[in-house]
Amino acid sequence: EAQVTQNPRYLITVTGKKLTVTCSQNMNHEYMSWYRQDPGLGLRQIYYSMNVEVTDKGDVPEGYKVSRKEKRNFPLILESPSPNQTSLYFCASSLSGPVAGYTFGSGTRLTVV
Amino acid sequence: GDSVTQMEGPVTLSEEAFLTINCTYTATGYPSLFWYVQYPGEGLQLLLKATKADDKGSNKGFEATYRKETTSFHLEKGSVQVSDSAVYFCALTIQGAQKLVFGQGTRLTINP
Repeated sequence: EAQVTQNPRYLITVTGKKLTVTCSQNMNHEYMSWYRQDPGLGLRQIYYSMNVEVTDKGDVPEGYKVSRKEKRNFPLILESPSPNQTSLYFCASSLSGPVAGYTFGSGTRLTVV
Repeated sequence: GDSVTQMEGPVTLSEEAFLTINCTYTATGYPSLFWYVQYPGEGLQLLLKATKADDKGSNKGFEATYRKETTSFHLEKGSVQVSDSAVYFCALTIQGAQKLVFGQGTRLTINP
């Protein structure tokens, strides 16, 4: 089954404790992206990657890092999480970019206390 | 900048009612337009899209027409079902922009 898999689904952590949210796709997609979803704000892009070793900032990249060492994986790293990063996070992939349409993962609900 | 505005929710309808969710946009270039749907506890799914003016996207009984003159992309369905209860997001992208710009989402609840 074609899918984007995120882990974990739920995570509660403390301020300052480094964490990684994993994302993997099995569709051989070139393009991957991370979004965060907050009430009343819709989804906002954090980072995206157009191919292996090619990443770039989205609209809200502060406090986040990403890497794209393999085509299928695109982890999101929070080096020192803060409470304002409490949110619902989605990984998405696409064959060639947003115009082609995204396949989204099921989401990771992160709470930073 | 580019932006998408959706009608305020939540929207509650009875089964078999007619649905309209309004979406208007502001874009610096020539956008492609999308509707995504998010069912409870799941990620977003592409529902339909349109890439040029006067195109109509359709899927699962839902339709939306790209209206350049009114900068709108309203979502419609003639007869809704309980299973249509979800959050609906309107979105746009500009060629080369490498991101989707989303509206704030509209929660739809259908009562039997």
